[in-house]
Amino acid sequence: DAMVIQNPRYQVTQFGKPVTLSCSQTLNHNVMYWYQQKSSQAPKLLFHYYDKDFNNEADTPDNFQSRRPNTSFCFLDIRSPGLGDAAMYLCATSRETGVWYEQYFGPGTRLTVT
Amino acid sequence: QQPVQSPQAVILREGEDAVINCSSSKALYSVHWYRQKHGEAPVFLMILLKGGEQKGHDKISASFNEKKQQSSLYLTASQLSYSGTYFCGTEIGGGSNYKLTFGKGTLLTVNP
Repeated sequence: DAMVIQNPRYQVTQFGKPVTLSCSQTLNHNVMYWYQQKSSQAPKLLFHYYDKDFNNEADTPDNFQSRRPNTSFCFLDIRSPGLGDAAMYLCATSRETGVWYEQYFGPGTRLTVT
Repeated sequence: QQPVQSPQAVILREGEDAVINCSSSKALYSVHWYRQKHGEAPVFLMILLKGGEQKGHDKISASFNEKKQQSSLYLTASQLSYSGTYFCGTEIGGGSNYKLTFGKGTLLTVNP
């Protein structure tokens, strides 16, 4: 089945230790998103890629970086995680088809910072 | 620019109806609705466009009031499987830029 896969599902890192989260998709969608979702809050968009074009949200901290080496894969790098970065990180994809686009979400990576 | 959802939470008995609202202070281009069950990823429900077009699941209905910049999601004859947090995501402006701003969510609990 076509899907959005995130690895790992759970990640524990130490304060200040760099961490990379990965997302892959078999949907061949050209748009990919990274969201941060804290407990009982809405998903907050960090970045999105439209094909290779990278779009950073104005309030995304510099500590967060992203890479999309090809259509299928996207990575979220947190250079120096702080306690406030503990959250669920959701990857999503969509296909640009004019006005209709639904986002397909992966299961998320729950990040714990100790 | 975050849309405002109401109510924050609602508890129903199976078979009852509910309405969830999403409003914006900015002119909207589209409204998207997603449902997220605890510990799971959000799942797409509906898209409503300025102008009246919509696309989504057969068993869920929604409306988009352009004058009020408000959308409502109608859940009728609720089932236990409807439980979860409902998020609206909005696009403002004159066209799609393929990114959404989500509201804080409405927690729906359906009891037997």
